Amino acid sequence: DGGITQSPKYLFRKEGQNVTLSCEQNLNHDAMYWYRQDPGQGLRLIYYSQIVNDFQKGDIAEGYSVSREKKESFPLTVTSAQKNPTAFYLCASSIGTGSGYTFGSGTRLTVV
Amino acid sequence: GENVEQHPSTLSVQEGDSAVIKCTYSDSASNYFPWYKQELGKGPQLIIDIRSNVGEKKDQRIAVTLNKTAKHFSLHITETQPEDSAVYFCAARPTGGGADGLTFGKGTHLIIQP
Repeated sequence: DGGITQSPKYLFRKEGQNVTLSCEQNLNHDAMYWYRQDPGQGLRLIYYSQIVNDFQKGDIAEGYSVSREKKESFPLTVTSAQKNPTAFYLCASSIGTGSGYTFGSGTRLTVV
Repeated sequence: GENVEQHPSTLSVQEGDSAVIKCTYSDSASNYFPWYKQELGKGPQLIIDIRSNVGEKKDQRIAVTLNKTAKHFSLHITETQPEDSAVYFCAARPTGGGADGLTFGKGTHLIIQP
């Protein structure tokens, strides 16, 4: 079955560490997105990519980085520069910019 | 850019009653309006969507209505059941897709009381 897979489901980070969240899709979708979800704040866009080897900053990109070397993969790195990284992170993909999204099941990141 | 407002933030209804969640959008060029349901600890799932050339769309117990003139759209759930308890998000997308995709509302926590 086609879908979008995020891993790990839970991730713990020590202060000062970088961590990378994985997002893989086999839907042949061109566009991929990363969102951060905090209680009461809905979904905030971190980065998006419309095509391989290209990506753009969203509303809250500071302290995050991404790559898009393959169509199927859009990993997100949470760097030590992100001062409040504890959140639920969602990856999504779509056929194009005029379509709805398919979401992954999310990664819950906690700073310890 | 697009701005989407969603109300209420929390909605509690008795099982079997109807629930209505409302959203307004700011960009008159928006032409695609999906609704997502998110259960605890999971990613959002698309439950219904509507495009601007249609005023209403139904799928069993759920329906979405769109008023382009007033720039608002609503989700209607009839005969609510315990499994309808979740957070619901509305979203909007402008004509041509918009480079950064969908703009989401802040969500409505729907609670179905037994």
